[in-house]
Amino acid sequence: LAKTTQPISMDSYEGQEVNITCSHNNIATNDYITWYQQFPSQGPRFIIQGYKTKVTNEVASLFIPADRKSSTLSLPRVSLSDTAVYYCLVGFSGGYNKLIFGAGTRLAVHP
Amino acid sequence: GAVVSQHPSRVICKSGTSVKIECRSLDFQATTMFWYRQFPKQSLMLMATSNEGSKATYEQGVEKDKFLINHASLTLSTLTVTSAHPEDSSFYICSARLADTDTQYFGPGTRLTVL
Repeated sequence: LAKTTQPISMDSYEGQEVNITCSHNNIATNDYITWYQQFPSQGPRFIIQGYKTKVTNEVASLFIPADRKSSTLSLPRVSLSDTAVYYCLVGFSGGYNKLIFGAGTRLAVHP
Repeated sequence: GAVVSQHPSRVICKSGTSVKIECRSLDFQATTMFWYRQFPKQSLMLMATSNEGSKATYEQGVEKDKFLINHASLTLSTLTVTSAHPEDSSFYICSARLADTDTQYFGPGTRLTVL
């Protein structure tokens, strides 16, 4: 299973765009990249998933370069409620898709 | 869509007793569910992979006789913590894999406190 590396923490201010980069040098051909958000005492919430290039949904964008050794989660115009831990995971699409969580990035959004 | 529930949300029990936690996929069928444990200020640790109709696969270091997992249907998996001890106190989270999208959706978690 590919290991992921993310910054331990980040700080931002309301209204700013936040980009969190994750490195996954050993990503396998069949692996997808998935990002989750977790608030204290809650289960992780699915944010976005992609395989290559760019994916966008109503809450975030995911940028994946051609070599797929890293990915960047982009949160536009963050608010205080976006303060949370963000996890980047890679897993095999198909089979059991076992996901191993890394340390995650603790994002703090300030007024 | 893709909602996963857990019951109970929190439980307090005495040392030596057993506790059952249920994980349900409410609006989709899940052939595979996963159980995680999370200690304060730490990341989620995968405990086991639960497959409908077959035995669970446990991660290294997780005692299968202590953490009994049953996946009796496509929408329900249960985790039973047997002979619980204070060190088993933790936040237990399940997830279910949505087959068509290969995405895992997580339950809200169960806070277990063993006195």
